[in-house]
Amino acid sequence: DAGITQSPRHKVTETGTPVTLRCHQTENHRYMYWYRQDPGHGLRLIHYSYGVKDTDKGEVSDGYSVSRSKTEDFLLTLESATSSQTSVYFCAISDDWNSNQPQHFGDGTRLSIL
Amino acid sequence: AQKITQTQPGMFVQEKEAVTLDCTYDTSDPSYGLFWYKQPSSGEMIFLIYQGSYDQQNATEGRYSLNFQKARKSANLVISASQLGDSAMYFCAMRVTGTASKLTFGTGTRLQVTL
Repeated sequence: DAGITQSPRHKVTETGTPVTLRCHQTENHRYMYWYRQDPGHGLRLIHYSYGVKDTDKGEVSDGYSVSRSKTEDFLLTLESATSSQTSVYFCAISDDWNSNQPQHFGDGTRLSIL
Repeated sequence: AQKITQTQPGMFVQEKEAVTLDCTYDTSDPSYGLFWYKQPSSGEMIFLIYQGSYDQQNATEGRYSLNFQKARKSANLVISASQLGDSAMYFCAMRVTGTASKLTFGTGTRLQVTL
């Protein structure tokens, strides 16, 4: 199994509070991704990174920011959480942007904003 | 923009029978890859099978095969000899070459295998 650890695995917090989710990989893969999963929407890309300090927006990036200061860590921050950001968040990694290798996913973080 | 459509929200199949999960896609790019993932009730995403747009043959991985019809833009997953452990959510996804390996997902199909 790919070495991907998401923390925390579960979090409940209040509207307006900042929240940071962490994704840590031990595979030395260049590409890292944050997705959110909601019923009826499948998984949607929030942000992704193609190297240290190199990040870009996905299709649902509003209200989220990311940082990648080391190859192994990709942080997702909700600056001021809203109830619409209640979701399951998945981190994924990939070693080659143009390969047939699949993205490998972490086990997810279940985030509830009350 | 790319789009994946899975029109079957839920499916039932009897144990030991085969089942086909539908997936259609839309892209104007000639080079792309199609993936299927399984998500059991425990929540993790498990990669099942891959098909490249230039692959001449349909992909197979054990009991999983991908019925790739390029002209129809469909990439259906076929599970043979269904097992109770196949009960899960199944997602079709597409990656277009040159987009930093980003995946676009369908909304998923929930498969229930019955005795």
